[in-house]
Amino acid sequence: EDQVTQSPEALRLQEGESSSLNCSYTVSGLRGLFWYRQDPGKGPEFLFTLYSAGEEKEKERLKATLTKKESFLHITAPKPEDSATYLCAVQAGKAAGNKLTFGGGTRVLVKP
Amino acid sequence: ETGVTQTPRHLVMGMTNKKSLKCEQHLGHNAMYWYKQSAKKPLELMFVYSLEERVENNSVPSRFSPECPNSSHLFLHLHTLQPEDSALYLCASSQSLAGVDNEQFFGPGTRLTVL
Repeated sequence: EDQVTQSPEALRLQEGESSSLNCSYTVSGLRGLFWYRQDPGKGPEFLFTLYSAGEEKEKERLKATLTKKESFLHITAPKPEDSATYLCAVQAGKAAGNKLTFGGGTRVLVKP
Repeated sequence: ETGVTQTPRHLVMGMTNKKSLKCEQHLGHNAMYWYKQSAKKPLELMFVYSLEERVENNSVPSRFSPECPNSSHLFLHLHTLQPEDSALYLCASSQSLAGVDNEQFFGPGTRLTVL
């Protein structure tokens, strides 16, 4: 069974204090690993897709990396507007119906 | 309208009511999904439709009944729900079910409360 574990559950940062979020996964043949951002009361917003170990993608202050067992979302010099819940999801190679398995998320609060 | 829209945004219903959630995607996608997001639990896939055909039913109770009349619209019909069904119901769409760059794009969700 595919499993995704995100840590920490919550993260409080000062503005400008860089940090990393972890997503550990167990999946039978990874087709893709996805990162989403979710603001309170809203649907998840797509950030990145990673397909193979060693791959990296960047968007503004966010950088996602992938190994064979985990992915990291690095937040560099965060601003208060980066406060959100960050969700990680995996898609197995044989997943029926484009199924995504989500982790529980990491709630990030960036204080000015 | 752009992206994926959902109505209503909030719904309160009794256990004997019948109601429907509506989702519309304006992205030209061919696949649509229903997810459930409960407090303290990860997002759970409920149903998947591709070109109006249901391709996945993730062991969802029959009190939830999906309908996909065309590739742009998806409904979730609700009847005789239980209080534990209270959650955020999210609709998503993707270009297709296969291939790369097949990201799912989500709507804002419907916050459902069952009394």
